[in-house]
Amino acid sequence: DAGVIQSPRHEVTEMGQEVTLRCKPISGHNSLFWYRQTMMRGLELLIYFNNNVPIDDSGMPEDRFSAKMPNASFSTLKIQPSEPRDSAVYFCATSMDSPPETQYFGPGTRLLVL
Amino acid sequence: GDSVTQMEGPVTLSEEAFLTINCTYTATGYPSLFWYVQYPGEGLQLLLKATKADDKGSNKGFEATYRKETTSFHLEKGSVQVSDSAVYFCALSEGTALIFGKGTTLSVSS
Repeated sequence: DAGVIQSPRHEVTEMGQEVTLRCKPISGHNSLFWYRQTMMRGLELLIYFNNNVPIDDSGMPEDRFSAKMPNASFSTLKIQPSEPRDSAVYFCATSMDSPPETQYFGPGTRLLVL
Repeated sequence: GDSVTQMEGPVTLSEEAFLTINCTYTATGYPSLFWYVQYPGEGLQLLLKATKADDKGSNKGFEATYRKETTSFHLEKGSVQVSDSAVYFCALSEGTALIFGKGTTLSVSS
């Protein structure tokens, strides 16, 4: 199995631009999580999907952030407009457990907003 | 709410030294407990877990015991290697998403 696939691995953009991060979960995993990691705040859960339905989006920072999971094979996290404080590593993780305790993380997308 | 507290890092050790990374938690119920490891430039990987009191999780020479009386899940290894250099995260789950500690950086020198 290829594991969780994230793209792009690195993204550099200018403030105000739209950024779209993508995640392909492991086949058969029905839970998907988006996390953000920064030195200051550590690892933060942004949103959690189960069977493609958003279950908990209380960690989404503000309206500039949105996430979708149109099918079991794909999810996106979009930031519009981006700001320098959004610079971080964004991880996608998936699980086949119920409850989703053991999570498999992708390699992350390192985002830099100038 | 639920939370996880880890010892501050970085932890710097020589090869073959004994490792302890402290982790304590606050939870309303009976969570499952985890240690995840993040190697440089990679995502987190599950290292070990324990699902009930007095359970011991173990993997790759690492161990941690679920102590309900002290609400702790300390990570230990008897003899660390340079390849163990990484960031270690303690986490808990009460049935939904994981709650992570801030991570402890371990650096092992030869």
